Amino acid sequence: AQKITQTQPGMFVQEKEAVTLDCTYDTSDQSYGLFWYKQPSSGEMIFLIYQGSYDEQNATEGRYSLNFQKARKSANLVISASQLGDSAMYFCAMREPAAGNKLTFGGGTRVLVKP
Amino acid sequence: SAVISQKPSRDICQRGTSLTIQCQVDSQVTMMFWYRQQPGQSLTLIATANQGSEATYESGFVIDKFPISRPNLTFSTLTVSNMSPEDSSIYLCSAGAGAFLMNTEAFFGQGTRLTVV
Repeated sequence: AQKITQTQPGMFVQEKEAVTLDCTYDTSDQSYGLFWYKQPSSGEMIFLIYQGSYDEQNATEGRYSLNFQKARKSANLVISASQLGDSAMYFCAMREPAAGNKLTFGGGTRVLVKP
Repeated sequence: SAVISQKPSRDICQRGTSLTIQCQVDSQVTMMFWYRQQPGQSLTLIATANQGSEATYESGFVIDKFPISRPNLTFSTLTVSNMSPEDSSIYLCSAGAGAFLMNTEAFFGQGTRLTVV
């Protein structure tokens, strides 16, 4: 079974609008961390935001916020006020200490911001 | 935070040859990881590089094909051996700063874009 599922292979969003990228995960551990990374065409992996399984509040980092619904095992990324530079691949990832703290990545969502 | 320098940034290699990728971190880190990203795909963990002992490989990856060294807490190498066109991918080094607690961001090198012809 997939540990991390991103159901949207690609999305278009109008500049200045908000976009939500879906991520669901599968774990039986109580302690885990969820991450979102951005990968532009240059290939580098840029950390965006983190949510811990015990965090009661949704994480926010500037224009990025994470809609964490623990019971549904979802951790959707919301990008507000999209900019042309937001066009990239976005990966959701999970870390489980019980699995050696390695990151497991979802399949990614390609976002294209239209002017 | 940790800054990771990875080289080479790209290479074109002949099939049957080997390429060694270097990963240098600007601070001591507990854990280092090597990932492969095939064209249009997500990142797949190859192995965890352990300082002072053999790397821990994920299912589907073997030491003979991807030997890894980690001589100290700031440096690791990944060798892609006896390459074939199927090895054409981006290879990424990753590290966790300090004790690499669960909520610690994983930092990545800029990746090595490998093309095997």
